[in-house]
Amino acid sequence: GAVVSQHPSWVICKSGTSVKIECRSLDFQATTMFWYRQFPKQSLMLMATSNEGSKATYEQGVEKDKFLINHASLTLSTLTVTSAHPEDSSFYICSAERVPFTDTQYFGPGTRLTVL
Amino acid sequence: AQTVTQSQPEMSVQEAETVTLSCTYDTSESDYYLFWYKQPPSRQMILVIRQEAYKQQNATENRFSVNFQKAAKSFSLKISDSQLGDAAMYFCAYGETSGSRLTFGEGTQLTVNP
Repeated sequence: GAVVSQHPSWVICKSGTSVKIECRSLDFQATTMFWYRQFPKQSLMLMATSNEGSKATYEQGVEKDKFLINHASLTLSTLTVTSAHPEDSSFYICSAERVPFTDTQYFGPGTRLTVL
Repeated sequence: AQTVTQSQPEMSVQEAETVTLSCTYDTSESDYYLFWYKQPPSRQMILVIRQEAYKQQNATENRFSVNFQKAAKSFSLKISDSQLGDAAMYFCAYGETSGSRLTFGEGTQLTVNP
């Protein structure tokens, strides 16, 4: 149990376009999901916390207008990178916390974004 | 703010031997969680082991065990009978009880030599 999927697994887009990444908890409900960014050979940096039915909470330094997060159901959160630029190229990982709370996050397989 | 430090960027171990990965953290909280996650080349984050700070007993999961020293704010991971499949990047993480935010260490790249 506790499987989290992400779609797409990789995406290449042109500079200035928007890209949506989906995160789904497949076999459990998640009131809280998290979005991370990971650069090569570096650790995971939390971007935002996504709560079902409410606005996301962004970490300091993360542009909320650039990284739009929607958590419309107990099994789906989406991250939209708006007007993407080459510096947005990275590995984006989501995680979900199982309901009832277990204080343990289960991670998706990640999405590699390349902006040309 | 909480910080997590992994002082060993790289470690290596012979197959079937034992290796210990170090992790220290800083917090003013008394209740929290600590985790070790494994990230193989596929980059899928896999939960290895979890420890609640209020529990004195060290967590164990098969070949994986931790040495949790709350006063010293130390949380090391011991891997016994190392296997080739254990080769990966290992991240230590601190988890808040309120809001469940995770703070990760820099990671330790573990190589298992046959």
